[in-house]
Amino acid sequence: SQKIEQNSEALNIQEGKTATLTCNYTNYSPAYLQWYRQDPGRGPVFLLLIRENEKEKRKERLKVTFDTTLKQSLFHITASQPADSATYLCAPQMNRDDKIIFGKGTRLHILP
Amino acid sequence: SAVISQKPSRDICQRGTSLTIQCQVDSQVTMMFWYRQQPGQSLTLIATANQGSEATYESGFVIDKFPISRPNLTFSTLTVSNMSPEDSSIYLCSVENRGDEQYFGPGTRLTVT
Repeated sequence: SQKIEQNSEALNIQEGKTATLTCNYTNYSPAYLQWYRQDPGRGPVFLLLIRENEKEKRKERLKVTFDTTLKQSLFHITASQPADSATYLCAPQMNRDDKIIFGKGTRLHILP
Repeated sequence: SAVISQKPSRDICQRGTSLTIQCQVDSQVTMMFWYRQQPGQSLTLIATANQGSEATYESGFVIDKFPISRPNLTFSTLTVSNMSPEDSSIYLCSVENRGDEQYFGPGTRLTVT
């Protein structure tokens, strides 16, 4: 069955450093991969979408890579800030009209 | 973007009762989705609701337990029927933006005692 793995442990990063979160998937080949941010008590908020033919996507301090050979996506936050502390969800999607499957998410703590 | 509101934001219900959750969007959308997020777990899709047709349920979810209404392009309801403590969860509705990203409501935190 389709499986999505994200760092199960919380990630603690010092303010100003780059945070890197990993998303691995198995048993399928998504054409799209989305990343969301979720704060406690709130719904997820869309951050970035990357397509299988794109190796890298950037948005301000965020960067996402998509390696279809490794079946992995990396999510980077550069110059991290305490306000970046949240849970980040990886969400692969087979095709544009298919449902999105969410990973469990990685809790990120940026330490001041 | 879309702004989504949900009611109630939270509720505590007794076993065996039912709760209807409302989802309102500030613009007309074709597809609305209902998710469940149990503590420490990922979001699980319950069903997809299109206006004017029956909702499409995912494996493990049935209409008798989670009836959904979609009377127009800006509103939907999800009912959690005959609740048990295992139904305690956060329920979220979302809408899709042209097949790309989804916008989520703030969620309804349900506790069943």
